[in-house]
Amino acid sequence: DTGVSQDPRHKITKRGQNVTFRCDPISEHNRLYWYRQTLGQGPEFLTYFQNEAQLEKSRLLSDRFSAERPKGSFSTLEIQRTEQGDSAMYLCASSPKGLDVEEQYFGPGTRLTVT
Amino acid sequence: GQNIDQPTEMTATEGAIVQINCTYQTSGFNGLFWYQQHAGEAPTFLSYNVLDGLEEKGRFSSFLSRSKGYSYLLLKELQMKDSASYLCAVMDSNYQLIWGAGTKLIIKP
Repeated sequence: DTGVSQDPRHKITKRGQNVTFRCDPISEHNRLYWYRQTLGQGPEFLTYFQNEAQLEKSRLLSDRFSAERPKGSFSTLEIQRTEQGDSAMYLCASSPKGLDVEEQYFGPGTRLTVT
Repeated sequence: GQNIDQPTEMTATEGAIVQINCTYQTSGFNGLFWYQQHAGEAPTFLSYNVLDGLEEKGRFSSFLSRSKGYSYLLLKELQMKDSASYLCAVMDSNYQLIWGAGTKLIIKP
């Protein structure tokens, strides 16, 4: 068990470019969550998967954001036509049993800077 | 709307005790979590309360009063490594975590 991993750890991109982040959850964890966190704030929920099914997506999430978890293991989060307001830490978390109430294990995050 | 309130910053002395408060107003309640987050790192789980009362886990304890919409995290025998942000999060009726902005705890020798 190596924990949740995320790649890349840092990404600097120009406004208007597309970016894709990857998250590898703890092996055999059923649920996978994506959050966004800005400095001095708590994480903001973006979306989550139960195995390969995307069950919930924040209504705050614009159409420029899309996430996949094709085989129920790793997940990708893509942001199209990035804007400066997208600059944030993107956190991935997983939980083992697929229960609604369960501890979430977080990865180290991907810090995105849009210039 | 949904709201989680906690102090922005607190300072305490090494070896002392500190209590970090959290008040919440959410649509439904399925438990309250406390997470610790060191600067630049991911949050790590500390505690979960769903029933009223105190849960003790080593140097850390967490208390919940559902009728008051109130929780606190109590840290005893403070160590320098406890310098971090402490995040309060409530699971609402849709089983989504609603997070507070975090309390930055500064420990002085």
